[in-house]
Amino acid sequence: EVQLVESGGGLVKPGGSLRLSCVASGFPFSNAWMTWVRQAPGKGLEWVGRIKRETDGGTADYAAPVKGRFTISRDDAEDTVFLQMNSLKSDDTGVYYCTLGGTYYNAWGQGTLVTVSS
Amino acid sequence: DIVMTQSPDSLAVSLGERATINCKSSQSVLYSSNNKNFLAWYQQKPGQPPKLLLYWASTRESGVPDRFSGSGSGTDFTLTISSLQTEDVAVYYCQQYYSSPPFTFGQGTNLEIK
Repeated sequence: EVQLVESGGGLVKPGGSLRLSCVASGFPFSNAWMTWVRQAPGKGLEWVGRIKRETDGGTADYAAPVKGRFTISRDDAEDTVFLQMNSLKSDDTGVYYCTLGGTYYNAWGQGTLVTVSS
Repeated sequence: DIVMTQSPDSLAVSLGERATINCKSSQSVLYSSNNKNFLAWYQQKPGQPPKLLLYWASTRESGVPDRFSGSGSGTDFTLTISSLQTEDVAVYYCQQYYSSPPFTFGQGTNLEIK
């Protein structure tokens, strides 16, 4: 059974940083492209960014609102994908989901809540 | 970026009746070389993460009941629930994954029981 478990969310002041983690199990992680999607409170889904598998270059793509502030990385030895978030703004508040896939997403974690507030 | 627009924003349907949700993309998501529409549908129930229902516009994900179906091509798509059940109350999202990122979502359609 595919499982994705996010962690690392919490309350942070504007301008601060957080690092989210997503531990995967139940599938060959090193073969997978992984994507982060977020959802502001009471709002819809927003694509954040994705990372390719290493055999496809291991590079990441980002949405415009987070480019230059967020970095996605992966540790295939630990079956984990990360989202490093710097220079956080109040607009970054929401639930962050780790998902399996580089295009459509057939597995989602339960999400981790990030609150950016002073 | 491709903009996805769903209609209606909210919908109330009686149990057992048909529910129809529309999704329009600002440019075609049909890839001519393989004749596939790069469009997915998701269901999100309160307090839960989204769940994939359909991909390639009309291919049902494993385990999804056959009352859910998808149709359309190019820029106009439809999600149909043939006979609404209580467990179908949710917010539904379309998403395009055509070409290069960002892979945008529609704003969501809130489906309720009438």
